[in-house]
Amino acid sequence: DAGVIQSPRHEVTEMGQEVTLRCKPISGHNSLFWYRQTMMRGLELLIYFNNNVPIDDSGMPEDRFSAKMPNASFSTLKIQPSEPRDSAVYFCASSLGDRGLPDTQYFGPGTRLTVL
Amino acid sequence: AQKVTQAQTEISVVEKEDVTLDCVYETRDTTYYLFWYKQPPSGELVFLIRRNSFDEQNEISGRYSWNFQKSTSSFNFTITASQVVDSAVYFCAPSLIPGRRALTFGSGTRLQVQP
Repeated sequence: DAGVIQSPRHEVTEMGQEVTLRCKPISGHNSLFWYRQTMMRGLELLIYFNNNVPIDDSGMPEDRFSAKMPNASFSTLKIQPSEPRDSAVYFCASSLGDRGLPDTQYFGPGTRLTVL
Repeated sequence: AQKVTQAQTEISVVEKEDVTLDCVYETRDTTYYLFWYKQPPSGELVFLIRRNSFDEQNEISGRYSWNFQKSTSSFNFTITASQVVDSAVYFCAPSLIPGRRALTFGSGTRLQVQP
């Protein structure tokens, strides 16, 4: 079975532009997570979904960030407008999430975002 | 506030040495889960182990072993006979907030294994 798929793998954009990151979770997984990794702040959770519903978005930095999960096999993280401080590696992860417990999260390869 | 501490920022060892990576966490909960992940230079995050707070037995998987001590809130990771391929950043990631599936990642320990 394919793992978590993220696209694009690399994104370079200019400040002010809209950026959309995409994620396809592992088939059958009910929970999906978006993390951001930077040197300064390490790995931090942005938002997570369970059964396509956002459960906790307290990590979303500000209104410029939004995430959606229109169906069980697809999620997007959008930044509009982007700023240089958004430069980071964005990881998507999924887990079974069917027992109300912290199941093992399997991570995608990440999207390296550079905002100039 | 709940938090996880990996006090060792960077460790350098020579191949075949044993090395232990420390992880200490704070939580008010009595039921929680503990994870370790590895991030090699290629950048992906690789799952290593998941344990629950009820099970304090040490776990061994090949050259890897984990020591969980609930009384001291520690979940340490030992690599026996380290190899160059073990060079990576290792993250301890407990689920610290009750009712949340999300993990709280430590700052990571960078392990360099020299040949």
